[in-house]
Amino acid sequence: ETGVTQSPTHLIKTRGQQVTLRCSSQSGHNTVSWYQQALGQGPQFIFQYYREEENGRGNFPPRFSGLQFPNYSSELNVNALELDDSALYLCASSLDRGSYNEQFFGPGTRLTVL
Amino acid sequence: QQQVKQSPQSLIVQKGGISIINCAYENTAFDYFPWYQQFPGKGPALLIAIRPDVSEKKEGRFTISFNKSAKQFSLHIMDSQPGDSATYFCAATYSGAGSYQLTFGKGTKLSVIP
Repeated sequence: ETGVTQSPTHLIKTRGQQVTLRCSSQSGHNTVSWYQQALGQGPQFIFQYYREEENGRGNFPPRFSGLQFPNYSSELNVNALELDDSALYLCASSLDRGSYNEQFFGPGTRLTVL
Repeated sequence: QQQVKQSPQSLIVQKGGISIINCAYENTAFDYFPWYQQFPGKGPALLIAIRPDVSEKKEGRFTISFNKSAKQFSLHIMDSQPGDSATYFCAATYSGAGSYQLTFGKGTKLSVIP
């Protein structure tokens, strides 16, 4: 069974650019959540996708957007990058969207904005 | 507003000792409290979790103690080993959130010295 994978591993962008991060969920999982983890902080919830529809959003501006595809893989898009967007972006998949379904995290994408 | 407060920020324990990490929450709607372990370069991994209808849960060397009236919960690691050196995050979620988003503490960096 393949776990959650994310690409790319590292990314360097400049302020104002746009970025797309990708996540492949664990086999059989229909729910994907994205989190932002700033250095020395806990992960912060960005949004969740369930069966290709957004199913909840954290306190992030609209320039953070996402997609989930029919195979349940997902993308996180960030427009107009700001320096504060530099962080580790984590994707987590779960079997379903219920609260007691374990969220399995990928290794993350380290984004640096210069 | 930080809904889950975690302490200490860092912890150094001798091999064989007990590691204790504490968390306090504000939102009384939270109904699921997981602990995650994160190694450098990896995503968080679920360690152990508890629901508020029990006061304690034990899995191997890891125990969660839960105090609903005080809105506090803690992780105890018995017989701490150097391999336990990692960052630990407490988290909370609730079924009414729809997306069951995890709200994380800021993390505790545990170092177990031989």
